[in-house]
Amino acid sequence: NAGVMQNPRHLVRRRGQEARLRCSPMKGHSHVYWYRQLPEEGLKFMVYLQKENIIDESGMPKERFSAEFPKEGPSILRIQQVVRGDSAAYFCASSIGQGGTAKDYGYTFGSGTRLTVV
Amino acid sequence: GENVEQHPSTLSVQEGDSAVIKCTYSDSASNYFPWYKQELGKRPQLIIDIRSNVGEKKDQRIAVTLNKTAKHFSLHITETQPEDSAVYFCAAPWMDSSYKLIFGSGTRLLVRP
Repeated sequence: NAGVMQNPRHLVRRRGQEARLRCSPMKGHSHVYWYRQLPEEGLKFMVYLQKENIIDESGMPKERFSAEFPKEGPSILRIQQVVRGDSAAYFCASSIGQGGTAKDYGYTFGSGTRLTVV
Repeated sequence: GENVEQHPSTLSVQEGDSAVIKCTYSDSASNYFPWYKQELGKRPQLIIDIRSNVGEKKDQRIAVTLNKTAKHFSLHITETQPEDSAVYFCAAPWMDSSYKLIFGSGTRLLVRP
């Protein structure tokens, strides 16, 4: 099991460009979560998705940010017209998400994508 | 919804001493409380978790205690070692029926050799 795979590990974009971050969940995991971590800060929830459904996007800015988790392929977090304030580490996590036992909450995180906007 | 507060924000201990990190939560229906360790430049990794039907759980040098009445839970690390130096995050579910976790702000632990 390769774990949660995120790519790219590092992404540099100029202001105004688009950033696409990809996340492939662990095998057997159907729930995906995206978190943003600013330098020296905690993990801020952005969006929670299941296959073809956005369950909760309350932490995602209404403008410029979007997320999807298609039936086939990885989950994508897209940031349009990036600004310097978007520079952060973006972590994806996945979980089984069913059954109601502790292991179902046990997120496994990917290694993150470190976005730098210049 | 859930609000999770974590203290202290930084903690420095001598190698061999114990370290305690405390979190409080707001939603009395929350039933699952994990702790994650994040080393510099690495991903957060689950180190221990506890369900609300138990008051304490141990795994070698780490333990978590839960006080449901006071709505707080704590991470205890005994016989600390330099490799324990990292940022530790607590978390709780947004709502009992949700799988979304809300994280505390983190505690930077430094173990001095």
